[in-house]
Amino acid sequence: EAGVVQSPRYKIIEKKQPVAFWCNPISGHNTLYWYLQNLGQGPELLIRYENEEAVDDSQLPKDRFSAERLKGVDSTLKIQPAELGDSAVYLCASSARAGASDTQYFGPGTRLTVL
Amino acid sequence: KQEVTQIPAALSVPEGENLVLNCSFTDSAIYNLQWFRQDPGKGLTSLLLIQSSQREQTSGRLNASLDKSSGRSTLYIAASQPGDSATYLCAVTGGGNKLTFGTGTQLKVEL
Repeated sequence: EAGVVQSPRYKIIEKKQPVAFWCNPISGHNTLYWYLQNLGQGPELLIRYENEEAVDDSQLPKDRFSAERLKGVDSTLKIQPAELGDSAVYLCASSARAGASDTQYFGPGTRLTVL
Repeated sequence: KQEVTQIPAALSVPEGENLVLNCSFTDSAIYNLQWFRQDPGKGLTSLLLIQSSQREQTSGRLNASLDKSSGRSTLYIAASQPGDSATYLCAVTGGGNKLTFGTGTQLKVEL
């Protein structure tokens, strides 16, 4: 069974440019998460989707970040414009449902460098 | 707001040594606690999950304990091997299946 797929794996851009990350969750998983992981830190939740609905986006900086999950499957996270401080690893995870006992499976992440 | 702390931040041990990683959390109202492993350039892999009603879980050479009332967990690794070198993250689960992670312990097991 394929795991969570993310692309690109690495992205280098100049500040003020837009960037987008893509995530394909495990087949059949209704819940999808985007996390931000800064160097030397643990991941922090940005947004959680249940099917196509964003049910927790309280930590998403909405002035420059946006996300969508059309048709409740793949998801895209966008930053526009990117700032130097956005350099980090962006992780996507999915789980069958949103229950506390539903294991979250993580993708390999996209490492973003903003110059 | 839940805060998770891990000590030590980094650890280097010789192969074969037994070791303990520590995790503490501020809010005891958790559903469960997980220990994850993260290898460079890769995502997180769940190692052990302890439900809030449990005291410990074991998988192979790994044993994790949970003392919810005191807000502490330990991950015990027996007979460490170079392949155990990675960053180990502790995370607690709150409402909405929200994981709050610690900052991790970077482990290096040397030959």
